[in-house]
Amino acid sequence: GAGVSQSPSNKVTEKGKDVELRCDPISGHTALYWYRQSLGQGLEFLIYFQGNSAPDKSGLPSDRFSAERTGGSVSTLTIQRTQQEDSAVYLCASSPGWRDTYSNQPQHFGDGTRLSIL
Amino acid sequence: EDQVTQSPEALRLQEGESSSLNCSYTVSGLRGLFWYRQDPGKGPEFLFTLYSAGEEKEKERLKATLTKKESFLHITAPKPEDSATYLCAVKSMDTGRRALTFGSGTRLQVQP
Repeated sequence: GAGVSQSPSNKVTEKGKDVELRCDPISGHTALYWYRQSLGQGLEFLIYFQGNSAPDKSGLPSDRFSAERTGGSVSTLTIQRTQQEDSAVYLCASSPGWRDTYSNQPQHFGDGTRLSIL
Repeated sequence: EDQVTQSPEALRLQEGESSSLNCSYTVSGLRGLFWYRQDPGKGPEFLFTLYSAGEEKEKERLKATLTKKESFLHITAPKPEDSATYLCAVKSMDTGRRALTFGSGTRLQVQP
């Protein structure tokens, strides 16, 4: 497809379980971002990947959160030992630029994964 | 720390009743201000980027403007299909901060 694809669209799991969320960015986009959106809140930055550079992990809320990006394309966000406060919509975005830091190319978002922790 | 505040939190309009949404920001050097539209259950959809004070962008019934402290999204003669949450975000000149800082959004409901 032409847009950012995320899967699953919904995930319900029990507290303490691990979850993996997947993001397939727009083809050719080298920058990839993960955000979290809690009910009634703005988007909260989690992690950023740019090409083969070391990721910017400054937004990850705890060491239970990790992410990887394989082959410069698909990314997986993993949450270990989930807690109820992890319930949110997890959004992935991509943008074209290898010069993203110095440009204003807009980020294009997927429809997110709605994560519910019971 | 970059901050974005949007007002009002919610706005209900009659079809054809024009209004404006406000986005106030503080940022350590503005590289760009972005407006997005978000429909329920969907990801944000890009609308505009504004780079410098005095700049304006238009798309259909929407017009975005920018000053040194705030941005306005003007909606002229809205239709029910304009109902959505409108998000404002800023990007800093600080090259160490590549992500956008978002406001909490304005939920717009346009009634026929």
